[in-house]
Amino acid sequence: GAVVSQHPSRVICKSGTSVKIECRSLDFQATTMFWYRQFPKQSLMLMATSNEGSKATYEQGVEKDKFLINHASLTLSTLTVTSAHPEDSSFYICSARWGGTGNEKLFFGSGTQLSVL
Amino acid sequence: QQQVKQSPQSLIVQKGGISIINCAYENTAFDYFPWYQQFPGKGPALLIAIRPDVSEKKEGRFTISFNKSAKQFSLHIMDSQPGDSATYFCAASYAYNQGGKLIFGQGTELSVKP
Repeated sequence: GAVVSQHPSRVICKSGTSVKIECRSLDFQATTMFWYRQFPKQSLMLMATSNEGSKATYEQGVEKDKFLINHASLTLSTLTVTSAHPEDSSFYICSARWGGTGNEKLFFGSGTQLSVL
Repeated sequence: QQQVKQSPQSLIVQKGGISIINCAYENTAFDYFPWYQQFPGKGPALLIAIRPDVSEKKEGRFTISFNKSAKQFSLHIMDSQPGDSATYFCAASYAYNQGGKLIFGQGTELSVKP
């Protein structure tokens, strides 16, 4: 399958600081990437859809000014958690869409565990 | 509103047995139904997927059964092994030209006993 690389895998930061998470599609170009959030023992909740060259589309209830998404190239999307607080501590996972109409698949990165102290 | 409902929440199976996980969806706009396997601290890995024009798909020990009229689909893991112990998520996706968002079920924690 296609490879999606996510970095860092784990980050600990102080409350009030900002954290950037990178998501790269290594062997394919992804015009669309998705960002998910997962709490322990829970499902993945879609946060936003990231489209290359345009503004991200956020799901209801997700603060776009807190979770800044940039999709500057066909292989890279970044999620920046601004002014992080302990309640932002979570497992963040990106995915990239491979293929086109009728054969698309979503491949996921390995996730980033964010801990805000 | 939970668009994709998954059951059971947890499942214990003996080695060599069949693991069955069920999902139901409501929105007929979904046109792609993948299953993902996730180990603790890792991202989900695509296991197998099906589209609504097919009623069954088999890949190795994994089979998806799809019932379009009932809006249900299930994952069968044959000859379950301890290494299959993980959390399994069903999902449903909107069509590519409708944004292609993937919505996950609640997850099933599978434990295969040796």
